[in-house]
Amino acid sequence: DQQVKQNSPSLSVQEGRISILNCDYTNSMFDYFLWYKKYPAEGPTFLISISSIKDKNEDGRFTVFLNKSAKHLSLHIVPSQPGDSAVYFCAASRTGNQFYFGTGTSLTVIP
Amino acid sequence: DAMVIQNPRYQVTQFGKPVTLSCSQTLNHNVMYWYQQKSSQAPKLLFHYYDKDFNNEADTPDNFQSRRPNTSFCFLDIRSPGLGDAAMYLCATRMSGANVLTFGAGSRLTVL
Repeated sequence: DQQVKQNSPSLSVQEGRISILNCDYTNSMFDYFLWYKKYPAEGPTFLISISSIKDKNEDGRFTVFLNKSAKHLSLHIVPSQPGDSAVYFCAASRTGNQFYFGTGTSLTVIP
Repeated sequence: DAMVIQNPRYQVTQFGKPVTLSCSQTLNHNVMYWYQQKSSQAPKLLFHYYDKDFNNEADTPDNFQSRRPNTSFCFLDIRSPGLGDAAMYLCATRMSGANVLTFGAGSRLTVL
């Protein structure tokens, strides 16, 4: 049973505009959420994270929003750049030991 | 640079022929994970080691085994690969107390 879901397999955005990637989860016990970025033929690399005690975390062009009541988080990238084109995975953990991933969203930033 | 290295990057095997994938890390992380990722699917946790303690996911097939001879190395053994085991196998590490996994580049397994 998929505990972390990314319902949009792909997203295309014009360079300079905002990219919004969404993620839903089912387990209310998750207390930490992460976004990973993956280029072809490479392993996922950590991008940004948020603890369940916060509702927003920002790092440069990347912001993650957490809505615990809706069990939803989103990643905002602004402005989007062609180098941001990659697959983005949402992940969640409980007690920090087991991490559960979504199926990923493939972002294409069009120059 | 401290990192997680997986070998081989690409492995082709025949149906039923055992395969071993390796993972080494220079991060001195005490927690190591093996994930299986099939095309367009989420990475699926197979098992993890917390120090020497082995933790198997309930739905990991018996066909999959793992060894961790020391802190730096972890192996994934697939005893009798089937066509359904063709996937990317990802190794990840974490220091206890930290909430971020560091991944290797993965080993892509093809089963003929």
